[in-house]
Amino acid sequence: DIQMTQSPSSLSASVGDRVTITCRASQGISNSLGWFQQKPGKAPKCLIYAASSLQSGAPSRFSGSGSGTDFTLTISSLQAEDFATYYCQQYSSYPITFGQGTRLEIK
Amino acid sequence: EVQLLESGGGLVQPGGSLRLSCAASGFTFNNYAMNWVRQAPGKGLEWVSSIGSSGGSTYFADSVKGRFSISRDNSKNTLFLQMNGLRAEDTAIYYCAKDRRAMGIDYWGQGTLVTVSS
Repeated sequence: DIQMTQSPSSLSASVGDRVTITCRASQGISNSLGWFQQKPGKAPKCLIYAASSLQSGAPSRFSGSGSGTDFTLTISSLQAEDFATYYCQQYSSYPITFGQGTRLEIK
Repeated sequence: EVQLLESGGGLVQPGGSLRLSCAASGFTFNNYAMNWVRQAPGKGLEWVSSIGSSGGSTYFADSVKGRFSISRDNSKNTLFLQMNGLRAEDTAIYYCAKDRRAMGIDYWGQGTLVTVSS
């Protein structure tokens, strides 16, 4: 199974900050990676697919990069509504696996 | 607009069974693979199962293999998850999720809560 490791596990930041979350795969997955945002009590929402493609409707301040084993999600200028938990997911092979999540909190 | 509406969750005793359903609308259901993903209380996301667009291919997490089955009725735009031999560790919100043609999940339902307890 491919293990997905996110860092950090939690992060405190302020509105307007630039934030980067990383995700590392235990083996190469090409660009078969997605990023999701989840707010408390809500279903996840897709932000990024194919490592760097922005989901329709997702704000342009979100961007993704990487290939192989190392990936990043960047929020260029944090907004109040961005405080949530973020997950990466690999879909290169079954079983599909998720990172453990990164909780983004207000400083 | 893509909509996924899960139902069938509830309280069940250990060893019991439940059948979850997911009614899909807003897209051509029989063109897309579908998934079930769960989230235990206060925990992260865990993939459970996937099924191909025609239903011919199915995949399961080791944690549910042999106990859960996945199926779909393309004539009724509905996805199912049959859960047998339920355990306390199966307690979670179960989400139905649409696949983006081999590029991961793009849409999620609102989830249905399954609680396994005596």
